[in-house]
Amino acid sequence: QKEVEQDPGPLSVPEGAIVSLNCTYSNSAFQYFMWYRQYSRKGPELLMYTYSSGNKEDGRFTAQVDKSSKYISLFIRDSQPSDSATYLCAMGNTGGFKTIFGAGTRLFVKA
Amino acid sequence: DVKVTQSSRYLVKRTGEKVFLECVQDMDHENMFWYRQDPGLGLRLIYFSYDVKMKEKGDIPEGYSVSREKKERFSLILESASTNQTSMYLCASSVGQGETQYFGPGTRLLVL
Repeated sequence: QKEVEQDPGPLSVPEGAIVSLNCTYSNSAFQYFMWYRQYSRKGPELLMYTYSSGNKEDGRFTAQVDKSSKYISLFIRDSQPSDSATYLCAMGNTGGFKTIFGAGTRLFVKA
Repeated sequence: DVKVTQSSRYLVKRTGEKVFLECVQDMDHENMFWYRQDPGLGLRLIYFSYDVKMKEKGDIPEGYSVSREKKERFSLILESASTNQTSMYLCASSVGQGETQYFGPGTRLLVL
């Protein structure tokens, strides 16, 4: 079983739609959770960082962590064509150096 | 803003060549990382360093070595490039254990 599972997509939505991206994980020791956005042929850039369970909102983006279900989500409201990218979930525990990344979900937002 | 730079955006090398990829970060971060990214496989950790001259193997270190002589600089070396090392190489840095990693723009390496 992979430590992190993420649906690769592609996910195609119309402009203005609410997008839901998800990851499941198996290691209950993970304490911090991140979402990265990666445009084509560029490096990943950090979107959201969450420590432990709960929700975090930043503009049109909301990150949710449910540690009991080992499930994390990223919601994008009022999606824009500029949101078209690959979204990577990532997680780790503060006792270690390694961060585990999902394989990424490719998102297309159509104008 | 954290800035991580990589020496080349694109590289084309021949099989058997020795290849050097350089990464520099400007935020005095303790930890630096080298990943490769391949379609369907996601990010795979090659090596990381938690201090000058210190290094640890990641998940796929075979065929690679690293060097960290200065805190801000972390080099990835392909001792004898092979075609299966054609990939996107990403460098990252973080301030401490379990902290957010910041990525460079990546180097697309093609080995012919």
